[in-house]
Amino acid sequence: KAGVTQTPRYLIKTRGQQVTLSCSPISGHRSVSWYQQTPGQGLQFLFEYFSETQRNKGNFPGRFSGRQFSNSRSEMNVSTLELGDSALYLCASTLHEGRSEKLFFGSGTQLSVL
Amino acid sequence: AQKVTQAQTEISVVEKEDVTLDCVYETRDTTYYLFWYKQPPSGELVFLIRRNSFDEQNEISGRYSWNFQKSTSSFNFTITASQVVDSAVYFCALSEAGNQGGKLIFGQGTELSVKP
Repeated sequence: KAGVTQTPRYLIKTRGQQVTLSCSPISGHRSVSWYQQTPGQGLQFLFEYFSETQRNKGNFPGRFSGRQFSNSRSEMNVSTLELGDSALYLCASTLHEGRSEKLFFGSGTQLSVL
Repeated sequence: AQKVTQAQTEISVVEKEDVTLDCVYETRDTTYYLFWYKQPPSGELVFLIRRNSFDEQNEISGRYSWNFQKSTSSFNFTITASQVVDSAVYFCALSEAGNQGGKLIFGQGTELSVKP
């Protein structure tokens, strides 16, 4: 099975711009979650989508949004970029096993805001 | 509140040494799941293990072993006979049964450097 695919791998933007990141989950996985990784804050949960609906959300401002399509692919959007948004954005595809979940991550999109 | 603490920021060992990465967690849930992930320089988080709160059996997988102790809220990870390819950042994470939905609480990570 192909793994989680994230595009683009690297992105450079300037303050005030907006950006869209894409994630294709493992085939058959219906849930996608997004994480932000920075040296200072570590790995932080952004949100999760299941069957095109946002099911869980972390503590990030409204500038961070996402959506999921009927084929389970997901996009994450950040509007009005700030320098502090520079980070590695990781997408995870979830395998549901009974009451538990197992997350499989992509290689991420490295976003630099200048 | 949920929290995961990895007190060791960096560890450096010489190849073939054994190394233990510590993880201490906090949760009020009685049902929860603990994970270890490896992040090599490529950036992808690689799943290593998941353990549920009702299963305190230690697990061994090749050179890797995990020691889960609910009494001390710890889930430590040991690499036996370390190799250069083990060099990476390792993350411990917690998921609560009542608040899953793709949400993992990660520790700050331990950067392991294995020198030849």
